[in-house]
Amino acid sequence: QVQLVQSGAEVKRPGASVKISCKASGYTFSIHYVHWVRQAPGQGLEWMGWINPNTGGTYYAQKFQDWVTMTRDTSIGTAYMELQRLTSDATAVYYCTRDQGESYNDAFDVWGQGTMVTVSS
Amino acid sequence: DIQMTQSPSSLSASVGDKVTITCRASQSIDGHLNWYQHKPRKAPRLLIYGASSLESGVPSRFSGSGSATDFTLTISVLQPEDFATYYCQQTYDTPPTFGQGTKVEIK
Repeated sequence: QVQLVQSGAEVKRPGASVKISCKASGYTFSIHYVHWVRQAPGQGLEWMGWINPNTGGTYYAQKFQDWVTMTRDTSIGTAYMELQRLTSDATAVYYCTRDQGESYNDAFDVWGQGTMVTVSS
Repeated sequence: DIQMTQSPSSLSASVGDKVTITCRASQSIDGHLNWYQHKPRKAPRLLIYGASSLESGVPSRFSGSGSATDFTLTISVLQPEDFATYYCQQTYDTPPTFGQGTKVEIK
């Protein structure tokens, strides 16, 4: 069964960092790019960036370039997204999702269950 | 960035109705248009990719059409489990962008 399983909910203080994991199973992890998408409260879906699990190469949306880092560990088939210098604007549900094709510009066909990150003092 | 505009933003419909949602891109995206269903506290689900291809496991009452800048998602016979928010997404250019969503509610 192809699936992505994310780490659990996080509550952080402003200025802190958080690292979310996304473990893949049921397919060859290195073949499909992993994207990260978020949904802030009452808002729609917003793409944040992708990581190429094979090379570790990344591409971030301009809005997130200064405070997001995507990495992966191919030995355990897991992608990570770290958010730094958190503000209340980072409160959202974060999803990892798999690119359907073998590049970065196809549909997102498998999704993690989402990780709620709450930033509050 | 390519802007995606959905209409309507919300609609009320009854079980058994035919529902149509439209999505317009700010420039031509050929057929690089995908549709997702999103329910509260659930992960989004891919319904249609490449404008008109039905994702495996998705009921045939869902269909997509269109090209260039104008696209449509149709639910032929609305079922109780179809009440959700629907998003279009273009993957023609980076960054991939989503429409603002269409919430389908029970009349």
